[in-house]
Amino acid sequence: AQSVTQLGSHVSVSEGALVLLRCNYSSSVPPYLFWYVQYPNQGLQLLLKYTSAATLVKGINGFEAEFKKSETSFHLTKPSAHMSDAAEYFCAVSEGNAGGTSYGKLTFGQGTILTVHP
Amino acid sequence: KAGVTQTPRYLIKTRGQQVTLSCSPISGHRSVSWYQQTPGQGLQFLFEYFSETQRNKGNFPGRFSGRQFSNSRSEMNVSTLELGDSALYLCASSFPPYNEQFFGPGTRLTVL
Repeated sequence: AQSVTQLGSHVSVSEGALVLLRCNYSSSVPPYLFWYVQYPNQGLQLLLKYTSAATLVKGINGFEAEFKKSETSFHLTKPSAHMSDAAEYFCAVSEGNAGGTSYGKLTFGQGTILTVHP
Repeated sequence: KAGVTQTPRYLIKTRGQQVTLSCSPISGHRSVSWYQQTPGQGLQFLFEYFSETQRNKGNFPGRFSGRQFSNSRSEMNVSTLELGDSALYLCASSFPPYNEQFFGPGTRLTVL
């Protein structure tokens, strides 16, 4: 069974500081990994995805994540936080099958609320 | 392309009633997944439909059901509502092979 652990339910940074949101996964097969962001009263927006093509993945809004198989981690980073980055962030895993297709079931972490101080 | 749409956006029901939520996927997407989001349990997978067939099911009671139509639109139904069913219900559509899911704005269900 697959699972996702996000370390830290709340992270607070100053505007302009580095953002680091941690995610560790467990999967019995090579996983597909995703980071989503959710603003209040909205659905989830895809930030970036890892699908085994490259271990360093760049996403929207200046975010990137690095897949480390040995550490089973997929941490999300952004060099310089902006006030508009304040939101809740979710890491998710989807298992792939032998044909390389993933199924439509995502297992999510518990989420990390990012606060950005001026 | 238009995004995933969900109707209604807000719903208030009383215990014992039933409710039907609707989801229209992005054009061309054949997979539709449903999730329940609550403060206590987080985001939990309900089920996934692909080409009108349920391909995956989460760990929810049989009161939760769904279906998908030939145009890929999907509905989920919750019968005999309980207070604990109050949640944000999110629908997502996707396209192979990586099936990154694109989410709708959700339906906020309140059970009184």
